[in-house]
Amino acid sequence: SQQGEEDPQALSIQEGENATMNCSYKTSINNLQWYRQNSGRGLVHLILIRSNEREKHSGRLRVTLDTSKKSSSLLITASRAADTASYFCATENNFGNEKLTFGTGTRLTIIP
Amino acid sequence: DAMVIQNPRYQVTQFGKPVTLSCSQTLNHNVMYWYQQKSSQAPKLLFHYYDKDFNNEADTPDNFQSRRPNTSFCFLDIRSPGLGDAAMYLCATSRVGGEEAFFGQGTRLTVV
Repeated sequence: SQQGEEDPQALSIQEGENATMNCSYKTSINNLQWYRQNSGRGLVHLILIRSNEREKHSGRLRVTLDTSKKSSSLLITASRAADTASYFCATENNFGNEKLTFGTGTRLTIIP
Repeated sequence: DAMVIQNPRYQVTQFGKPVTLSCSQTLNHNVMYWYQQKSSQAPKLLFHYYDKDFNNEADTPDNFQSRRPNTSFCFLDIRSPGLGDAAMYLCATSRVGGEEAFFGQGTRLTVV
């Protein structure tokens, strides 16, 4: 079963603009992770934020986490055509069994 | 350099004919996951191994089974594939302790 919902489901922006994707989840978590998937390929880990963290940066990526609202956002700044992909949030529960479940995903298209 | 290897990349099987997908890892991670991903959907967790503990998702069909003979290898068995089982099957590993997951390139299963 899916743990999270993401919005928007699809997003198209011009190259150079910023892209923001949101993720909401249902149960308590140990951490939240963001992954990228190019069409027909495996998933690539982007960033992990733990439940006691509120914000994290990695290069052009910025992730926020609000555990009181059970939500997270991923911001990609200065987008590039190569950023075109699907982006998924995934939550690891805090039940102690390392279960990792994915949200519904956002399909991002960067228009050159 | 490949760390999580799935074989084969593409598998065609006949309706009702048992099929086995394999995953191996060179990372010595204790946690392994199997996901099913259908077109334009999020990865859906089928099973995961947390160290020696096997976890079966409640909504994973009985038609699907998994084996993990040792730390490095994991198998997904589909006893009687139906047309609805056509999908990408993704294997992933992670360290115990809330860490990122590493994905293989996936096996795309076609049922004819």
